[in-house]
Amino acid sequence: DVKVTQSSRYLVKRTGEKVFLECVQDMDHENMFWYRQDPGLGLRLIYFSYDVKMKEKGDIPEGYSVSREKKERFSLILESASTNQTSMYLCASFDRERLALHFGNGTRLTVT
Amino acid sequence: DQQVKQNSPSLSVQEGRISILNCDYTNSMFDYFLWYKKYPAEGPTFLISISSIKDKNEDGRFTVFLNKSAKHLSLHIVPSQPGDSAVYFCAAIISGTYKYIFGTGTRLKVLA
Repeated sequence: DVKVTQSSRYLVKRTGEKVFLECVQDMDHENMFWYRQDPGLGLRLIYFSYDVKMKEKGDIPEGYSVSREKKERFSLILESASTNQTSMYLCASFDRERLALHFGNGTRLTVT
Repeated sequence: DQQVKQNSPSLSVQEGRISILNCDYTNSMFDYFLWYKKYPAEGPTFLISISSIKDKNEDGRFTVFLNKSAKHLSLHIVPSQPGDSAVYFCAAIISGTYKYIFGTGTRLKVLA
């Protein structure tokens, strides 16, 4: 069974702080994703990576960056956290066989 | 521009009856569709998928129907169980890209 692990379930940060959200998958998947989930907006793609050190912007990349130094790890970085980045953040890896995403349990980030 | 729409934010169904969740899309290039289920405080889990070359796919109590001419898909759950109470997201993708587009979700409540 695929396991996608997000390091924190809940985070509270102050406006202006630099925030790191970590994600690790154990299935040697090449493609990994960061989404945010907000009420009434569904899941929106922030960034994805199709290989180590390769990344591509999703639909809402502004205010975020990512890092993929190792295949199993994909980090989302909020350069300077703002209150409108308060959200549920979901990491996923891509299963080529089923053409499906496997998600972690999410990190609920609150920026005050 | 919402390319994948779930127009019903919520749905209540009696245990044992059929649940029908609907999803509409606008991009005719989408050729693969998926349904995910999400419980509170957990990440979405893959439920069932369908390729655009089919019009029906079944897995146990879950059946997905695709009507390409209407750009509409639906998820049928028969019989519905209280454990099915969750938020359901539909998603669409163009094969060869990694950009999943998610709907806004429908909250299903199955009443015992």
